[in-house]
Amino acid sequence: SAVISQKPSRDICQRGTSLTIQCQVDSQVTMMFWYRQQPGQSLTLIATANQGSEATYESGFVIDKFPISRPNLTFSTLTVSNMSPEDSSIYLCSVLLDSYEQYFGPGTRLTVT
Amino acid sequence: AQKVTQAQTEISVVEKEDVTLDCVYETRDTTYYLFWYKQPPSGELVFLIRRNSFDEQNEISGRYSWNFQKSTSSFNFTITASQVVDSAVYFCALIESGGGADGLTFGKGTHLIIQP
Repeated sequence: SAVISQKPSRDICQRGTSLTIQCQVDSQVTMMFWYRQQPGQSLTLIATANQGSEATYESGFVIDKFPISRPNLTFSTLTVSNMSPEDSSIYLCSVLLDSYEQYFGPGTRLTVT
Repeated sequence: AQKVTQAQTEISVVEKEDVTLDCVYETRDTTYYLFWYKQPPSGELVFLIRRNSFDEQNEISGRYSWNFQKSTSSFNFTITASQVVDSAVYFCALIESGGGADGLTFGKGTHLIIQP
């Protein structure tokens, strides 16, 4: 398994500002992902973040809005830029192990006012 | 493209009843993995099980059991003698082995309410 931590656990931000979410894993992993869970909804993949390459974004998500960094095999950040109330969601990072088990961080609960 | 359907939006049962959560999936790959996750009110996603497409054996873990049937593209989850602590949203998800870079495809989730 993998133990994943995220910072911050929650935040309330004003529209137009940006927030950077950190994701730390207790072991080296190649594949990391960022998901969004809007209130009362399922999880939607934002992007795949592999170390040493540019993040790959899903349809509907763009780098200017959600820039991602992956500087090493245990850490990644997701920035939510120029926020609007529609960005209020839980943001989760996850890792995919070689065994195809995928574990999730505790999530960052973001509220944009 | 892959798809996961959880037709039951919400299920409410009385404690100690058995309950089955349905999951139907679509994929063109012959090699894929299916998952169940639990999301309690606190919000974290708890990994419950992973099953690969070549292993159709049913699995039991305590009060939890899973029934994987490729013929019907289903991966159902049963909780026996349900307890109030089982109340949560349960997600079924799929990943294709060749599509590891694409992450998981989730169903919409089933909100399970266990009444005391």
